[in-house]
Order: sequence, then structure tokens, then C-alpha cells
Amino acid sequence: AQSVTQPDIHITVSEGASLELRCNYSYGATPYLFWYVQSPGQGLQLLLKYFSGDTLVQGIKGFEAEFKRSQSSFNLRKPSVHWSDAAEYFCAVGGPMKTSYDKVIFGPGTSLSVIP
Amino acid sequence: GAGVSQSPSNKVTEKGKDVELRCDPISGHTALYWYRQSLGQGLEFLIYFQGNSAPDKSGLPSDRFSAERTGGSVSTLTIQRTQQEDSAVYLCASSPSLYEQYFGPGTRLTVT
Repeated sequence: AQSVTQPDIHITVSEGASLELRCNYSYGATPYLFWYVQSPGQGLQLLLKYFSGDTLVQGIKGFEAEFKRSQSSFNLRKPSVHWSDAAEYFCAVGGPMKTSYDKVIFGPGTSLSVIP
Repeated sequence: GAGVSQSPSNKVTEKGKDVELRCDPISGHTALYWYRQSLGQGLEFLIYFQGNSAPDKSGLPSDRFSAERTGGSVSTLTIQRTQQEDSAVYLCASSPSLYEQYFGPGTRLTVT
């Protein structure tokens, strides 16, 4: 079955500290992977995506993510967190499946708090 | 360019009434998705439209929920005989291809 797991429901970091948000997936085809951010009261904004090629992808706002096929993971990282990064982060997986429509499966989200 | 827009931004309705939520996707995007997000929860897939193909309705929670997409553009999500458990934020997203989705700001529905 297709699924996305984000093991950390909530993370708190100090401003300026590094950040890593974990994402693991199960998918029966070549995965396309995404990270989205949702600020309070807002819709979701795409941070970055992985389709193929270089397994380290750069996104907006200084975020990056690394695809590790052997671990079925796509962890999101940022070297130095800013107070404005406090938000909900969603990992998602999709990709062409022979037997189903083009769904994108979202993880449950990780809530990030930033301490000044 | 213009992003995905949704209207109304907020809707308060009485239990048992019907509501219609509107989504205007990005021009040229062939795919359109509806999701529901309850307070503090993740995204619950509702329905998916892709071009002229039959929509994937597998996520609709009951037959009180329906959606249509006219002319391959604007979409309307209709909830009949609303219940309190329908209270949530309803998000629409459109996609040009390859599953990359652009989300609207959502409609917050409150059923009293």
C-alpha cells in the first residue's frame, strides 16, 4: 500500500539551529517526492520536489532534501532556522501507477516551532 | 501570474443546509484536486479531476458530497445536508502535470 510517514508530530528548535524533518514512504512505483509548507491560516506552498537525477534537491527559503532510495526516505533539512519557518510541513509522494489514477499521498505533517 | 483562488474564504452554515465551494485553478492546469483538512490534521483526499477523464471520487466521505468541473476549469464542491463533522478547511489544488500541486488558500467551513 502507498503511504507516507512523518515520525515527528512536533519539533521545537532554536532560531539559528539546524533542522531535519523526517519522511519515509512506501510506494509501488517510481516515486515523485515533495515537501510542502503550510503557514498558519494559509494554503500549502511547494518547497521542493524530486523527480529524478541528483538525489539532493534544493528548494525555496534555503531548504534542501535528500532522496535515499535504499531507506525509502526524503528528509528535509535547513542549516539555520529562522523564526518565520515556524509552520506545518507536509511530505508527499506521487508518481505514475499502472492501476490507479495520479494521486498524491500526503503525510500527516510535522509542526515546527522556533524558539527565539 | 494568478494562483489558485477559492471562494468563499469563510462559510458559516446551519446544520442541514447545502453549501457550494468554488475553486478557480491556474489557467492551463489540467488536473484539479479537492482535499479536506480538519483542525490539526493532515490532508484528506476527496476527489481528483484530470482533463476529460472520469473523476476519481474515491475519497468522497459520503453521497452528500459531490463535485463537478465545468469546461475543464472551474470546479464546485457541493455538500448537501451539512453535518457538524463537515466543519473543516477545504483545499483545492491544481496541477499542470507530474503531480506538482499548487494550492489555493482554502475555504473554512463551519457548520453550526
